[in-house]
Amino acid sequence: AQSVAQPEDQVNVAEGNPLTVKCTYSVSGNPYLFWYVQYPNRGLQFLLKYITGDNLVKGSYGFEAEFNKSQTSFHLKKPSALVSDSALYFCAVRDPLYNFNKFYFGSGTKLNVKP
Amino acid sequence: NAGVTQTPKFQVLKTGQSMTLQCAQDMNHNSMYWYRQDPGMGLRLIYYSASEGTTDKGEVPNGYNVSRLNKREFSLRLESAAPSQTSVYFCASSEQGQRQETQYFGPGTRLLVL
Repeated sequence: AQSVAQPEDQVNVAEGNPLTVKCTYSVSGNPYLFWYVQYPNRGLQFLLKYITGDNLVKGSYGFEAEFNKSQTSFHLKKPSALVSDSALYFCAVRDPLYNFNKFYFGSGTKLNVKP
Repeated sequence: NAGVTQTPKFQVLKTGQSMTLQCAQDMNHNSMYWYRQDPGMGLRLIYYSASEGTTDKGEVPNGYNVSRLNKREFSLRLESAAPSQTSVYFCASSEQGQRQETQYFGPGTRLLVL
């Protein structure tokens, strides 16, 4: 069955330190992977996606993510966290072998960046 | 461009009441989606419309109906609201509904069913 797991409900990091938000997936074929961010009382905003090609994907606001096929992971990273990065982050996957309109979303990880 | 807009922003209903959530996009996208967001469960797809004139069930369609009024608008209707439908509802759109496309989300509607 297709699924996405975000093993950490919350990640705490000090401003200026590197951050990682973890995501693992389970799909039948080669996945299409996405990261979205949600600020309080707002809709989801697209950060980045991996479709094919280079395993390191760069996105908005200085975020990047590394696709690791052997570990079935797509962790979100940023070299230096900002307080304004504090938000809820969602990983999502599409399995191209199944219904192309369906996203599988993780349960979300709350990122807290402290000054 | 306003992107994806949703009305209302917040609504309180009593059990058994009906209401329609409105969604519109001005990006000329073909595909539109309705999700619900519940704590600890991420987003779950309720219904989607691959193109104007078509609608299909998603993961959790029970208790909901949809109408793709035209290319811009996609509404979600609760005929008889239940407390289990208390949630935040998001509308989204994408250009062609292709697998690699990004979906663009509206700001959400918070629904409380008493």
